[in-house]
Amino acid sequence: AQSVTQPDIHITVSEGASLELRCNYSYGATPYLFWYVQSPGQGLQLLLKYFSGDTLVQGIKGFEAEFKRSQSSFNLRKPSVHWSDAAEYFCAVGSDSSYKLIFGSGTRLLVRP
Amino acid sequence: GAVVSQHPSRVICKSGTSVKIECRSLDFQATTMFWYRQFPKQSLMLMATSNEGSKATYEQGVEKDKFLINHASLTLSTLTVTSAHPEDSSFYICSANREGASPYNEQFFGPGTRLTVL
Repeated sequence: AQSVTQPDIHITVSEGASLELRCNYSYGATPYLFWYVQSPGQGLQLLLKYFSGDTLVQGIKGFEAEFKRSQSSFNLRKPSVHWSDAAEYFCAVGSDSSYKLIFGSGTRLLVRP
Repeated sequence: GAVVSQHPSRVICKSGTSVKIECRSLDFQATTMFWYRQFPKQSLMLMATSNEGSKATYEQGVEKDKFLINHASLTLSTLTVTSAHPEDSSFYICSANREGASPYNEQFFGPGTRLTVL
């Protein structure tokens, strides 16, 4: 069965510092991988996705993620965090057969001024 | 473009009553909508997949008689929590898939509805 693990419940970084949010997945075939961001009172917004091809994908708001099949990981990175990046981040995996998304438990990002 | 709204954003009801939550795609037509449930500090759990004009497909463990889903038009899906109890208190989120597009490329989420059952 598909599953997604985000091992960090909370992460605090200083504004301007780099960021990496971890995501590990379990899936038999090549997965469809996503990162979403959720701000309070708002819907989930897609940051980026990986289907195939180049394993380093660029997203919106300066985020990028790297698919590493050997590690079953899809970590999200940003070189310099802004205070507005404070939010909840979800990693998700999907299959091509059902189009369902399986979400990780989320990581809450706090940004120190 | 591609905005999904939910109404109400927050609802408080007494135990035993039924609550209806609406999910609307405001500027596109959605053949498929998904309903999720999110507990505090937990992940989004898919409850059901709703297709316009047909019965919803429920995930294992989700009571279809308790969570009634209707997708009567290409812009509206409703989730009715029947005979709500305190354990049904949660954050309910819908997403909509733009008609004609792969759900993975064009799946947009609503802002969620906070349900509190007293």
